[in-house]
Amino acid sequence: GAVVSQHPSWVICKSGTSVKIECRSLDFQATTMFWYRQFPKQSLMLMATSNEGSKATYEQGVEKDKFLINHASLTLSTLTVTSAHPEDSSFYICASSVPPNTGELFFGEGSRLTVL
Amino acid sequence: GENVEQHPSTLSVQEGDSAVIKCTYSDSASNYFPWYKQELGKGPQLIIDIRSNVGEKKDQRIAVTLNKTAKHFSLHITETQPEDSAVYFCAARQAGTALIFGKGTTLSVSS
Repeated sequence: GAVVSQHPSWVICKSGTSVKIECRSLDFQATTMFWYRQFPKQSLMLMATSNEGSKATYEQGVEKDKFLINHASLTLSTLTVTSAHPEDSSFYICASSVPPNTGELFFGEGSRLTVL
Repeated sequence: GENVEQHPSTLSVQEGDSAVIKCTYSDSASNYFPWYKQELGKGPQLIIDIRSNVGEKKDQRIAVTLNKTAKHFSLHITETQPEDSAVYFCAARQAGTALIFGKGTTLSVSS
C-alpha cells in the first residue's frame, strides 16, 4: 500500500512556543491530506482537510489561526500548532488517499505532542 | 454530515471465542467502510474494508458484513488470540471526503 510518513513522532515543548508536524506521501501524490487529533482513550477527530495549493477546510470548533495547515506540494502537508498550551497536548495523525480518493486512507505514524 | 456510532465500547472474550463489533452510520451516501486496529501509541492500521456494493468480505479470521438498507456494518473476529487485544475503530466515508470514525471498541482477549 501507499506510505505516509509523519515527523516528528513525539515532541515536547514549552507553553507559548510553536510546533510544526510534517506529513509526507512517499510513493504517491497526495492531492488531499486529512489531519486528525486523538485524545487519550478517545476516537480520531477530524480537524481539517487540506488540498494542495489551496486553503485548508477546518471542522467546526477547530481554530484555524491556532492550527496552521500548509499543503504547498503534492507530497508534503504541515500542521503548525501555534502558541501551544497544555490543552493542545494530543496525538496528531495525518492521512491521505491515493487518487482518485475513493477508498482507503493511509495514515502516518502519528505525532505525540506534549506541551509543558 | 456523517455520524458513526460504535458498540460496544469494551469487549472482553476468552481466547478462541468470537468477537463482534457493530457500527451504524447516518449518511446514505457513504460507500466505503473500513475497520482499523490501533495499538497503544501507534497510528491506526487497516485490517479490513468493504464497499457499498458488497454485503460481506472475509480475510482469514476477520470478516465484515454490511447492511446498506439498515445502514449498519459489523466486524467479526473468530478464534480470537491475545494479540488481537487492541482498540478497534469503524469508519465511513464517501468519495472525496474524510473518514469519520466511531468511538472505538477496546477488545481484551484473555488466555
